[in-house]
Order: sequence, then C-alpha cells, then structure tokens
Amino acid sequence: DGGITQSPKYLFRKEGQNVTLSCEQNLNHDAMYWYRQDPGQGLRLIYYSQIVNDFQKGDIAEGYSVSREKKESFPLTVTSAQKNPTAFYLCASSMAGYLNQPQHFGDGTRLSIL
Amino acid sequence: GQQLNQSPQSMFIQEGEDVSMNCTSSSIFNTWLWYKQEPGEGPVLLIALYKAGELTSNGRLTAQFGITRKDSFLNISASIPSDVGIYFCARLQSNTGKLIFGQGTTLQVKP
Repeated sequence: DGGITQSPKYLFRKEGQNVTLSCEQNLNHDAMYWYRQDPGQGLRLIYYSQIVNDFQKGDIAEGYSVSREKKESFPLTVTSAQKNPTAFYLCASSMAGYLNQPQHFGDGTRLSIL
Repeated sequence: GQQLNQSPQSMFIQEGEDVSMNCTSSSIFNTWLWYKQEPGEGPVLLIALYKAGELTSNGRLTAQFGITRKDSFLNISASIPSDVGIYFCARLQSNTGKLIFGQGTTLQVKP
C-alpha cells in the first residue's frame, strides 16, 4: 500500500529541546517537502528536497533543519531556536519538482509545547 | 505576486445545495491545484489543472482554470455531509515544484 507516512501523530516538546519528525514515502518520488500549518491558515513551506543529498530552504526555514540521506526519507528537526513551534506539520512528496507534478501529503504531526 | 486570494473564507450550506469557491492571483502561472483537508489529516488532491480554460470534473466536483491564467473556481454540486472540510487552492512553481497555498475555504454542510 503506497503512501506517505508521518510519525508520530502527536509530539510534545519541552523548552530548549530539539525534536525530530519522521516522514517516509514508498512512492518512489524524487521530491519531498515540509510544510507548517497554523490554525485558520494555509500551508507554508519550510524546506524542500528535489533529490537525495540536496535540500533548499523554503519561506520559513529559520529554527528548522532537515536531511535527505535516502530517497524515501526526509526527517525534519524542530530546534530550540524555533520560538513558536506549536503547529501542524505536513510532509509531501511528488514525482519530480520541476515537472509540475502535484504533491501528495501525509497525515501530519501535531507538535505542542509542554 | 506570490499570494493567492481565496474566497469565501467560510460557507455554511444545506445538504443538497451547490457550492462555488474561487481563487485569484495577481500573477500568471501554469498550474492550479485544488485540495481538500479534513480535521487532523493531510490535504488530499482533488483536481489538477494545467491549461488556461481547462475544465475538469471529478465526480460532483468541477474546477476550471481561468482564461486569463490568474484565477480558478471549484464547484461542488448536490453537497452531502461528507463534503465538510477545508478546501485549498494552490499554485505550482514550475522550476522548483513548490506549492503556494490560498488561505482555504471552510465548508460546513447541514444535513
């Protein structure tokens, strides 16, 4: 059953702590993306990667970091430098970014501050 | 030029009614996408539009890519309770695959 799997579904962070959100896809997609969604708002792009071992900053990259060591995996770390991390985080993937292929999304991780 | 203006912001309708929502941009681009998001889940792609004037249907949903390439609308006919959710329009930046989203239209359907 192909798709995008995000884990965990819910995550809690203490002040000053880094946390990592997992995103795995078995769709053989080249491009992967991380978005942040705040209540009542649309999605904003954090980071994206069009190919393994390469990634680019999106519109709101400050306080976040990513890696792309494998084609199927694109973990997002929310660092202590991100002062307002409470949000719904969505991972997406597409065949290849430059080919106008629509993105498909996982079911998200909701991050809250303790 | 990046921002998408989506309207209405919210709708509360009776089951069986038709629904129309639209999205506009100040700049021209090549792809419109419409997504639906239900609470606690990720957006699901409904319709993708690639040509000016293109009209595409998916069941009770119909979407059109405006002839000026600056707007799109989504219609839902004969709404049912499971149509409830947030509908997003999005444009695709062709050289990076990045999506720019509208603010969403929240749809509620009264049985």
